[in-house]
Amino acid sequence: EAGVAQSPRYKIIEKRQSVAFWCNPISGHATLYWYQQILGQGPKLLIQFQNNGVVDDSQLPKDRFSAERLKGVDSTLKIQPAKLEDSAVYLCASSWGQGAGETQYFGPGTRLLVL
Amino acid sequence: GNSVTQMEGPVTLSEEAFLTINCTYTATGYPSLFWYVQYPGEGLQLLLKATKADDKGSNKGFEATYRKETTSFHLEKGSVQVSDSAVYFCALRGYGNKLVFGAGTILRVKS
Repeated sequence: EAGVAQSPRYKIIEKRQSVAFWCNPISGHATLYWYQQILGQGPKLLIQFQNNGVVDDSQLPKDRFSAERLKGVDSTLKIQPAKLEDSAVYLCASSWGQGAGETQYFGPGTRLLVL
Repeated sequence: GNSVTQMEGPVTLSEEAFLTINCTYTATGYPSLFWYVQYPGEGLQLLLKATKADDKGSNKGFEATYRKETTSFHLEKGSVQVSDSAVYFCALRGYGNKLVFGAGTILRVKS
């Protein structure tokens, strides 16, 4: 079974530029998550989708971050414009459902450096 | 809100030593508890989980018991190997709520 795929793996941009990350979840997984992991910290949930609907985006900085999951499969996370403090690893995860005991499967992440 | 506190690292051990990484949590209701591991250069992987009080999760020689009375989920292994060197994250999730992670504990095992 293929895992969660993410691209690109690394990205370096200058502040005020825009950037987009792509995620392809495990086939059949209805729930998709985007996390931000700042160096030295645990991952923090940015947004959760159930199929193509948003379940939780309470911690997404909506003035600069946006995400979509068209057709309930792949997802894209965008930052526009980027700030220095956005430097982090962006992790995508997926799971079958939303139950508290559900295992989330994580992709390898995209490491973003904003200069 | 829900939160997780885990011991600060790095934790440095010799091969075959006993490992304990402490994790305590604050949550409403009855959350599920998880340990995730991140090996160098790799993504997060689920190590073990427990979904109700007194459950013991185990995998690859690691164990953790869900202790509701002490709100703890400490990770233990009887004999660590160099290959166990990684960052370990404790996490919790209540129904419908987000997965909340601790800050992570770096484990270094020397041969």
